[in-house]
Amino acid sequence: AQSVTQPDARVTVSEGASLQLRCKYSYSGTPYLFWYVQYPRQGLQLLLKYYSGDPVVQGVNGFEAEFSKSNSSFHLRKASVHWSDSAVYFCVLSAWSNYNVLYFGSGTKLTVEP
Amino acid sequence: AQTIHQWPVAEIKAVGSPLSLGCTIKGKSSPNLYWYWQATGGTLQQLFYSITVGQVESVVQLNLSASRPKDDQFILSTEKLLLSHSGFYLCAWSLVSYEQYFGPGTRLTVL
Repeated sequence: AQSVTQPDARVTVSEGASLQLRCKYSYSGTPYLFWYVQYPRQGLQLLLKYYSGDPVVQGVNGFEAEFSKSNSSFHLRKASVHWSDSAVYFCVLSAWSNYNVLYFGSGTKLTVEP
Repeated sequence: AQTIHQWPVAEIKAVGSPLSLGCTIKGKSSPNLYWYWQATGGTLQQLFYSITVGQVESVVQLNLSASRPKDDQFILSTEKLLLSHSGFYLCAWSLVSYEQYFGPGTRLTVL
């Protein structure tokens, strides 16, 4: 069965520090993976996506993610965080049944301290 | 450019009362449409999807129903609200690609 695991419910980092948010997936087919961000009381915004090819994909606002098939992982990274990056981040797996099914991780709440 | 609008922004309703939430997508023809529910502080649960006007499929049963009366409109409703319906409702669209694009959401509080 397909699933997405985000092991860290909360992450706190200092402004200017580097960031890694972890994501592990379980899926027997070809994974299509995404990171979405949700700011307080808002909808979800797509940060980046991985379909195939280069395992490191670039997203908006300096975010990048690295896909690893051997580790079944899709970790999100940023070299230097800003206070405005404080939000909840969801790792998402997409699969097609007779419709586009999204499997969401439980989310990681990022707090950036000044 | 495509835009997705949800209404209302927020609702406070009594247990047992009816509910209707709406979603409109402009700038895309014949999108696939989805409804999601998010409990406070929780992850997202897909509720319904629709690939064409008049056709809606249920993913989970939460005593809710959905309809797609127009190509660009998706409605979520129930005749009788439960406390457990409280949360954040998100509409999303996609085309043939795998990613979905989300609306701003409607916050529902059931008292």
